[in-house]
Amino acid sequence: EVQLVESGGGLVQPGGSLRLSCAASGFTFSSYWMSWVRQAPGKGLEWVANIKQDGSEKYYVDSVKGRFTISRDNAKNSLYLQMNSLRAEDTAVYYCARDPLIRNDCSGGSCYADYWGQGTLVTVSS
Amino acid sequence: AIRMTQSPSSFSASTGDRVTITCRASQGISSYLAWYQQKPGKAPKLLIYAASTLQSGVPSRFSGSGSGTDFTLTISCLQSEDFATYYCQQYYSYPWSTFGQGTKLEIK
Repeated sequence: EVQLVESGGGLVQPGGSLRLSCAASGFTFSSYWMSWVRQAPGKGLEWVANIKQDGSEKYYVDSVKGRFTISRDNAKNSLYLQMNSLRAEDTAVYYCARDPLIRNDCSGGSCYADYWGQGTLVTVSS
Repeated sequence: AIRMTQSPSSFSASTGDRVTITCRASQGISSYLAWYQQKPGKAPKLLIYAASTLQSGVPSRFSGSGSGTDFTLTISCLQSEDFATYYCQQYYSYPWSTFGQGTKLEIK
């Protein structure tokens, strides 16, 4: 069974940092692109970043470029999101999501997600 | 960035109804469109990708259609478990994708 379990969320002051983790199991983690998607309270979904299987390609939405860093450790079946210079507008539930194995229906680095974790809440407030 | 607009934003329906949700892209996206279902406090669940391909395990009462800029999600016979919020997502633009604002489907 595919499982994605996020951790690391919490309350942080504006300007602070937080590192999110996503533990993957039930599939060959190293074979998949992975993504982070967030959802502000009561709002819609926003794609944040994704990373290729070997970490050689990484992409970010403009609003987090230069502040967030996505990474992965295939030996530990884990995905990470290092978040620096946090702002109130970064407050959201952050989901770890898996891209499909076969990317024939995808457009370059952009794709849909076939499995999602349950999310971890990040609150940026003083 | 490509803007995705869903309509309606919310509506109510009854069990057994046939319902259709529309998603419009601000520019052509071919068939690079997915639909998700999200229930309160839960993660989104993939229903359809490539505009009309049903994800494995998703009931056949769900169907998708469209290409270019206009897309629809249809639920042929609403079940109680279908009351949720639905999102479309375009993944044509590179390198990032964008979602619609969501359509909340409530019980009448």
